[in-house]
Amino acid sequence: GQNIDQPTEMTATEGAIVQINCTYQTSGFNGLFWYQQHAGEAPTFLSYNVLDGLEEKGRFSSFLSRSKGYSYLLLKELQMKDSASYLCAPYSGGYQKVTFGTGTKLQVIP
Amino acid sequence: DSGVTQTPKHLITATGQRVTLRCSPRSGDLSVYWYQQSLDQGLQFLIQYYNGEERAKGNILERFSAQQFPDLHSELNLSSLELGDSALYFCASSVSAPMNTEAFFGQGTRLTVV
Repeated sequence: GQNIDQPTEMTATEGAIVQINCTYQTSGFNGLFWYQQHAGEAPTFLSYNVLDGLEEKGRFSSFLSRSKGYSYLLLKELQMKDSASYLCAPYSGGYQKVTFGTGTKLQVIP
Repeated sequence: DSGVTQTPKHLITATGQRVTLRCSPRSGDLSVYWYQQSLDQGLQFLIQYYNGEERAKGNILERFSAQQFPDLHSELNLSSLELGDSALYFCASSVSAPMNTEAFFGQGTRLTVV
């Protein structure tokens, strides 16, 4: 089975940096996705980490440690539009499903 | 716009009824995935099709069924509807069968069972 743990909610200030952590336990592991989902809207892809380490993409970076079953999403220079849920999703590989966590609801305040 | 089209956007129906949700994947994508998202819950994987064939199955109820047609569009059929089936139903598509690439989600169908 798969178990994913993320904080339910976080609040951060506009212009600041926030780190959203995710720990997971899976019966197989190929990589880990992060998706962003605004309320009532479709999830949109942010990143996919396969190897250990930090991958940077503009204001967003994602880190993976396969041995620790741990990932984080780092958001810099927060903007109000970053208020959304961030979904951590490990992928077991092959034709296995991608399992989404319940997500972390981030609120950015002025 | 992700390129994935879902219809209808909203659906209100009574308990016991049957509905069909439709999804057109992005041009060139062979895989279609269906997810259910209930209020304040995560995306629950239902089923995946690749080029017309079922590839993976999640916690999909027996009352639910799906198929992917030769033109690659997919339909999710929900029958004997219950109040608890009220949710957002998302369709996503990707190029490959293993979901190790970016998936593009449609805007969802919001189903309300009354």
